[in-house]
Amino acid sequence: DAGITQSPRHKVTETGTPVTLRCHQTENHRYMYWYRQDPGHGLRLIHYSYGVKDTDKGEVSDGYSVSRSKTEDFLLTLESATSSQTSVYFCAISESEALADTQYFGPGTRLTVL
Amino acid sequence: DAKTTQPPSMDCAEGRAANLPCNHSTISGNEYVYWYRQIHSQGPQYIIHGLKNNETNEMASLIITEDRKSSTLILPHATLRDTAVYYCIVRPPWGGGNKLTFGTGTQLKVEL
Repeated sequence: DAGITQSPRHKVTETGTPVTLRCHQTENHRYMYWYRQDPGHGLRLIHYSYGVKDTDKGEVSDGYSVSRSKTEDFLLTLESATSSQTSVYFCAISESEALADTQYFGPGTRLTVL
Repeated sequence: DAKTTQPPSMDCAEGRAANLPCNHSTISGNEYVYWYRQIHSQGPQYIIHGLKNNETNEMASLIITEDRKSSTLILPHATLRDTAVYYCIVRPPWGGGNKLTFGTGTQLKVEL
């Protein structure tokens, strides 16, 4: 399995509080991604990074920000959590943007916003 | 982006081949077909991918029709541990950060 860890694995928080999720990789892969998964929607891309300090938005980026100050860490921040952000969050990594490349996923973080 | 259509669910007897279909009639010439699966409560797992030739690895085989409008993932000897949601994904053209667009997939249930 690719060396990807996510922390925390579970979190319960209240509406309006800031939350930061961490993704850590030991593979030295250039690309990192944050997805969320909700019933009936499959996985949807939130943000991705194509290098240190290089990030871009995905399809559901509103209410989220990201940062990547080191190759191995990609942080997802909810500045002011809302109940609609209750979800399971997955981090993924890939070595390149090549069409034939594959993504490897972390174990997920289950976030509940009350 | 090319879209995919998969049946919502399928059953398979343990030890038999599981054949999971996917339609991608609007696929572009340079788009690959990827298959991932997600076992309950785990992150998605890469299975296999192909462009136009049939592919095989230690997990599965991928059969792509000559017109590339559909494909079939074959698990040759399904086990209970293959019970999962299987996603057929068509990669968008170069650019956009290698993002994958997941649909709702096929829930495969392998039974004794």
